Amino acid sequence: AQSVAQPEDQVNVAEGNPLTVKCTYSVSGNPYLFWYVQYPNRGLQFLLKYITGDNLVKGSYGFEAEFNKSQTSFHLKKPSALVSDSALYFCAVRDINSGYALNFGKGTSLLVTP
Amino acid sequence: SQTIHQWPATLVQPVGSPLSLECTVEGTSNPNLYWYRQAAGRGLQLLFYSIGIDQISSEVPQNLSASRPQDRQFILSSKKLLLSDSGFYLCAWTKNTEAFFGQGTRLTVV
Repeated sequence: AQSVAQPEDQVNVAEGNPLTVKCTYSVSGNPYLFWYVQYPNRGLQFLLKYITGDNLVKGSYGFEAEFNKSQTSFHLKKPSALVSDSALYFCAVRDINSGYALNFGKGTSLLVTP
Repeated sequence: SQTIHQWPATLVQPVGSPLSLECTVEGTSNPNLYWYRQAAGRGLQLLFYSIGIDQISSEVPQNLSASRPQDRQFILSSKKLLLSDSGFYLCAWTKNTEAFFGQGTRLTVV
């Protein structure tokens, strides 16, 4: 099955510092990878996706992610964190075995302190 | 533009009562549709997916069922709710490489 793993339950970073939220994947074939953000009691908001092409993907709200095939990683990054970036972040991979559903990691809680 | 409507936003139901959550999609045709459940504010578990009208696949055995009576309508149901059915339920649709989520329903079974 296609899966992703997010090794960190929580990431803490000071406002203005760069942030990284980690994700590794395990897939057969070419991966379709996604990052979503969730605010309390809300649905998921799309940040970015990797399908093919450039390994550095730019997304919404200043986020970007780097696809690394040799390390099977797709880490989410932002050069300068904002307090408003504090939320729950999910990495996901598309699974052709489940009607192209997205299989999600367990999520990483990002806390940006002033 | 494509939108997804999910309701209600919150629901408190007694144990043993029935459930019906509805999701509709606008601005697209023949989407793949999904129901997810999120427990304790963390991981999302895929419950059901549908690739067409009346074509439903279940990912995990449970007390819930899903139906797709129309192309852009997906319904999550239960005949008798259990305490363990409490959680945050999300509807989603995909087409090609796009995936969109509803705003979710917070279900509390008491």
